[in-house]
Amino acid sequence: GAVVSQHPSWVICKSGTSVKIECRSLDFQATTMFWYRQFPKQSLMLMATSNEGSKATYEQGVEKDKFLINHASLTLSTLTVTSAHPEDSSFYICSASPPQGADTQYFGPGTRLTVL
Amino acid sequence: DAKTTQPPSMDCAEGRAANLPCNHSTISGNEYVYWYRQIHSQGPQYIIHGLKNNETNEMASLIITEDRKSSTLILPHATLRDTAVYYCIVRSYGGATNKLIFGTGTLLAVQP
Repeated sequence: GAVVSQHPSWVICKSGTSVKIECRSLDFQATTMFWYRQFPKQSLMLMATSNEGSKATYEQGVEKDKFLINHASLTLSTLTVTSAHPEDSSFYICSASPPQGADTQYFGPGTRLTVL
Repeated sequence: DAKTTQPPSMDCAEGRAANLPCNHSTISGNEYVYWYRQIHSQGPQYIIHGLKNNETNEMASLIITEDRKSSTLILPHATLRDTAVYYCIVRSYGGATNKLIFGTGTLLAVQP
């Protein structure tokens, strides 16, 4: 089946630093990937749609200058949290659809970010 | 995309069938019903989806009412590993660019 991976699985950083999270589709190519954020005991909130070779589309209320998304290849999208603060601590999850099963999204295992 | 309504939590005895309801009264004709689940601290897992006919796969069955305003996900023999938050989502069909919008879901607790 389609597999999506994320790296790192968890990260702890100091306030003011930037953190990069990678999302990879391991056995398929994905022109579109999605980034979600999930706070404790809450549902997933869609942050942005990552498009290969073009700019990401951000959901309302998500700061594009703070959450930088780069989708440089058909198997890799990165999310960089710039100048992280404690309120950015969250569970970040990506997803993608394989071309042959485009109506089904597959999710990565998530990245736990803790900002001190 | 149409919104869905699910009970916040349900219990089920191990080995019994778990029936999870979902209301989607504003669903439109081109929207499918999708079910995902999320085990604690993991990414969501796809379960099943359907348009108007009942669907079954190795994980579950999906029963959609004739008017399509509600559906039920059935786990035929629940195990402890099925304890998770289950999300019912309606989404237009077609294409990897169609985003999923998650609601609050149902926390299913399978009891031994």
